[in-house]
Amino acid sequence: AQKVTQAQTEISVVEKEDVTLDCVYETRDTTYYLFWYKQPPSGELVFLIRRNSFDEQNEISGRYSWNFQKSTSSFNFTITASQVVDSAVYFCALSESYGGSQGNLIFGKGTKLSVKP
Amino acid sequence: DSGVTQTPKHLITATGQRVTLRCSPRSGDLSVYWYQQSLDQGLQFLIQYYNGEERAKGNILERFSAQQFPDLHSELNLSSLELGDSALYFCASSVRGTSGSTDTQYFGPGTRLTVL
Repeated sequence: AQKVTQAQTEISVVEKEDVTLDCVYETRDTTYYLFWYKQPPSGELVFLIRRNSFDEQNEISGRYSWNFQKSTSSFNFTITASQVVDSAVYFCALSESYGGSQGNLIFGKGTKLSVKP
Repeated sequence: DSGVTQTPKHLITATGQRVTLRCSPRSGDLSVYWYQQSLDQGLQFLIQYYNGEERAKGNILERFSAQQFPDLHSELNLSSLELGDSALYFCASSVRGTSGSTDTQYFGPGTRLTVL
C-alpha cells in the first residue's frame, strides 16, 4: 500500500538556523514521483518540487535543498538559514504512475514549521 | 498565484443543505483534481476528471459528486451536508493526468466550507 510518513508534527527553530523536514514513503511501484508542497498560514498549497524515482540527484534551489534516497525510501527537505517567512506547514506527497493511486497525490500529515525571529 | 481559481473562498451553510464549489484550471491543463483537507483526515484525494471524463475516484462520499464541463472548469457538489463535511476543499489541475504520467498538480486557493 502507498503511504507517506512525516514523523515530525511540529518543529520550532530560531531564524537563521538550518532545519530538515523528514519524509518517508512506501510504494510497490518502480515508477513514482515525490513532491513537496508548502501551506503558509494563508492556506493555499504552493508547489515546491517534483522528483521522479529514477533521479536520485539531490537538488538545491536557493536556501532549499532536497535529499532523495531510494535505499531508505526517504525524501528529506532542508531549509538553510531559515527565515520567518518559511513558517508554514510542509507536506510531502507521493504519486504512482501505474499503481493504485494512478497519478493522484498521497499526502503525509504535514510538518508545521515555526521560525521565530 | 498558481493560475487555478476557486470560488467561493468561504461558504457557510447548515446541515442538510447542498452546495456547489467551482474550479477553473490553469490555461492548457486538462485534468482537474479535488481534495479535501480536514483536521482529522488530513489531505485526501476525492476525484479526478480528465478532459471531461471521470478518471479516478478516491475517498469520495456518495453524497458528493463532481463534473467537468466542455470549457474544462469543474464543479464539486456536496449534498445532505453534515457537520463533519466542514473542511477546506482544494482543486488542483495538471496538464495531463492519464495513467503512466504524473504531472505536477497546481492547487487553487481552496474553498473553506463550514457546516453549522
